[in-house]
Amino acid sequence: GAVVSQHPSWVICKSGTSVKIECRSLDFQATTMFWYRQFPKKSLMLMATSNEGSKATYEQGVEKDKFLINHASLTLSTLTVTSAHPEDSSFYICSAGGLAGGGTDTQYFGPGTRLTVL
Amino acid sequence: GNSVTQMEGPVTLSEEAFLTINCTYTATGYPSLFWYVQYPGEGLQLLLKATKADDKGSNKGFEATYRKETTSFHLEKGSVQVSDSAVYFCALSDPGYSTLTFGKGTMLLVSP
Repeated sequence: GAVVSQHPSWVICKSGTSVKIECRSLDFQATTMFWYRQFPKKSLMLMATSNEGSKATYEQGVEKDKFLINHASLTLSTLTVTSAHPEDSSFYICSAGGLAGGGTDTQYFGPGTRLTVL
Repeated sequence: GNSVTQMEGPVTLSEEAFLTINCTYTATGYPSLFWYVQYPGEGLQLLLKATKADDKGSNKGFEATYRKETTSFHLEKGSVQVSDSAVYFCALSDPGYSTLTFGKGTMLLVSP
């Protein structure tokens, strides 16, 4: 149980285009989903926290107009990188927490999406 | 604020060696503590957790004990395998609040 999927697993796009990444909790309903960015040899940086049906809470320094987050249901959250630039290239990881039986403090992570902007 | 400090890697071991990865934390109150593992090219997987002082989390031969007196949660395994090669992240969260604070990760490399 507690499986989280992400799609796509990798994407290459041209500078200036937008890319949408999906995060799904497959076998549980997640009240809260998180989006992280991971740089090479660095820890995970929390970008934003989203609760189903409400606006996402962004961490300081994260542009909310650039990284659009939608959490339309208890099993799906999307991250859209708008007008992507090469510096947005990174590994994006989502996680879901809530009702998985692991307690509200347990997050289950997706496999990540590698974004490369040319 | 909360913070997690891990030993820097990479940690290089031979197969069947004993593993310790140190983790200390700073937090108010009584956080929950976690170890996550990230295999190459993959996302993070929860390895083990502990929610209160003196609790021992264990999974797949790995263990960590919540030591409040030393604010530590060191990860140990008695005999590592090549397949344990990965990056290990120590993390904490405040009770009832799901945001995680991660350490920087420790890469473990196990050779045959």
